[in-house]
Order: sequence, then C-alpha cells, then structure tokens
Amino acid sequence: AQSVSQHNHHVILSEAASLELGCNYSYGGTVNLFWYVQYPGQHLQLLLKYFSGDPLVKGIKGFEAEFIKSKFSFNLRKPSVQWSDTAEYFCAVNAPGGYQKVTFGTGTKLQVIP
Amino acid sequence: KAGVTQTPRYLIKTRGQQVTLSCSPISGHRSVSWYQQTPGQGLQFLFEYFSETQRNKGNFPGRFSGRQFSNSRSEMNVSTLELGDSALYLCASSLAGEVNSPLHFGNGTRLTVT
Repeated sequence: AQSVSQHNHHVILSEAASLELGCNYSYGGTVNLFWYVQYPGQHLQLLLKYFSGDPLVKGIKGFEAEFIKSKFSFNLRKPSVQWSDTAEYFCAVNAPGGYQKVTFGTGTKLQVIP
Repeated sequence: KAGVTQTPRYLIKTRGQQVTLSCSPISGHRSVSWYQQTPGQGLQFLFEYFSETQRNKGNFPGRFSGRQFSNSRSEMNVSTLELGDSALYLCASSLAGEVNSPLHFGNGTRLTVT
C-alpha cells in the first residue's frame, strides 16, 4: 500500500524567506505525485503535479517541486514566500491502476509573518 | 463552470443516528471520491465512484457507504454514528477518473456527533 509522509507539521516563516516542505512516499513502482493547497476558508486546490518527464515541475504562484526517485521524495519549494501563502499544504500520491485512490500526507500548516 | 457542491455544510447528530451527505460534481466529471479529514489523521480515503460503480474503497467500517447516480451526483451514508465520526467530509470530482486527473474538491460537510 502507498503512504505519504510530511515531516513538518507547522512551519512559520517571515515574508521573503525561502520555503521547502518535505514529502516522502512509499511505493515501489511508478507514481503520480501532487501538491494540494488549502487557503484559509477555501477548498483544497491543486498546486502542481508530476506524472513523468522533467523531475522539476512548476506550479501556480511561483511554487515548484522536485521529484527525486532515488529518495522517494517530492519536496515543495518557493524562493520567496508571501503573507498570502499562509495555508495548509498536502502532498499526495496516486499509483497507476489505483484509479482515483489518492493517498494524502497529514499536511503542513504554513504561517507567513509579514 | 460551477465547482463541486456539497450539502449540507454543517450537521449535528447524536450517537446511533445515521446521516446522508450529498455531493454534486463539476459538470462533465464522472468520478467522485470521498475523504474524511480530521486534525490528527489528515485526509483519509473513503471510496471512489465512476459511472455509478464503486471502484475503490478505503479502510473504513461497513457503516460507511455510498452510491453514485446516473447524473454523477453522489451520496455518502454513515449509519450508527460514533463520536469518532466527527470530521470534515470532503467530496472530490475528476474529469476522467484516471490516476493523472487532478481532484477538484468541494468545501466539505462538517459533521459533529454528540
């Protein structure tokens, strides 16, 4: 069975600081990887996704993530965070053949201080 | 295009009762998934429906059930409610229901069991 670990539960940063949120998954085969974001009072929405090809994927609002197969990792990064990035971030994995049985990490709450 | 709509937004029930939650997917989306979100466990997969068929089921007791109608709308039912069922229940739809189709989430139904 696939599983996802997010190491940081709560991160506090000042504006303009760089961000890296860790995500590790356990699954031996090919996977599809996602980061979702939930802004305060809003529904979960897709930030970025990786299916194949270039392991560095770019998403909305200046976010990017790097897939490192050897480390089973898919860390989320942003060079300079803004107050509006305050949200909860979820890493997720879906394996081929699993249809839409998506496994989510427990989430990381990011608080950006102006 | 309207997003995923979940009704009701809030529910308060007592132990032993049953409850039905409703989800209307984005028009044209044929896959509907349900998740339970709690502070400690994050998002836990309940089940997924595609064209009125349950394709995947998570590790929840049989008290949790669902169905999908021919118009892709879905309902989730929880019988014999327990205190531990208090959670935010999220519905998500996707266009093709394939592993690389992003999920589109609703705002959820907040269930409180007393």
